[in-house]
Amino acid sequence: DSGVTQTPKHLITATGQRVTLRCSPRSGDLSVYWYQQSLDQGLQFLIQYYNGEERAKGNILERFSAQQFPDLHSELNLSSLELGDSALYFCASSARQGRETQYFGPGTRLLVL
Amino acid sequence: AQKVTQAQTEISVVEKEDVTLDCVYETRDTTYYLFWYKQPPSGELVFLIRRNSFDEQNEISGRYSWNFQKSTSSFNFTITASQVVDSAVYFCALSDNGGGADGLTFGKGTHLIIQP
Repeated sequence: DSGVTQTPKHLITATGQRVTLRCSPRSGDLSVYWYQQSLDQGLQFLIQYYNGEERAKGNILERFSAQQFPDLHSELNLSSLELGDSALYFCASSARQGRETQYFGPGTRLLVL
Repeated sequence: AQKVTQAQTEISVVEKEDVTLDCVYETRDTTYYLFWYKQPPSGELVFLIRRNSFDEQNEISGRYSWNFQKSTSSFNFTITASQVVDSAVYFCALSDNGGGADGLTFGKGTHLIIQP
């Protein structure tokens, strides 16, 4: 158990819908990262937050957004969902920023029908 | 741009054999970090090791060992006396200063199958 929690574990929704994935980092960690794992794209970095502020963006679509709250939990919002958004979404956390070890949560498996 | 290549898509060995998973990386930075993660069938990503670019010493942890060679831009992972529980997908990842982001760049992964 990495100490990173993600809810829900599974999510089934329809195209065009909007969903919110939630992540709680390990106790004391200030950085949160979101990744998408799909069969065709592999594991891709989406976005990073550090202590409530957006730090960096990776391959995140404009339909996707995230935020980190004062209690350091984070939410990833996915809107206007398409079939191709079906994937495993991971949240990871690290103590600070800058090349530290990232510990991953169990992931949220999203299926868009 | 940074890149990680794991050329072995799938490896199948019989239990107790030694197996090496290859990882080749590309980066323009002189300071970077390399990682290995394990993804068992249950799906979670488990951290195995982190190594910075200035430390080329090989590391051994039980049956696991890692060989880092800057000259060939490789960071290979060896499992000695493999066990069925080692069956998983293994990912090599790189973190450099590309774009100021701390996000990891992952390889495509190697699916390791240990047969009893």
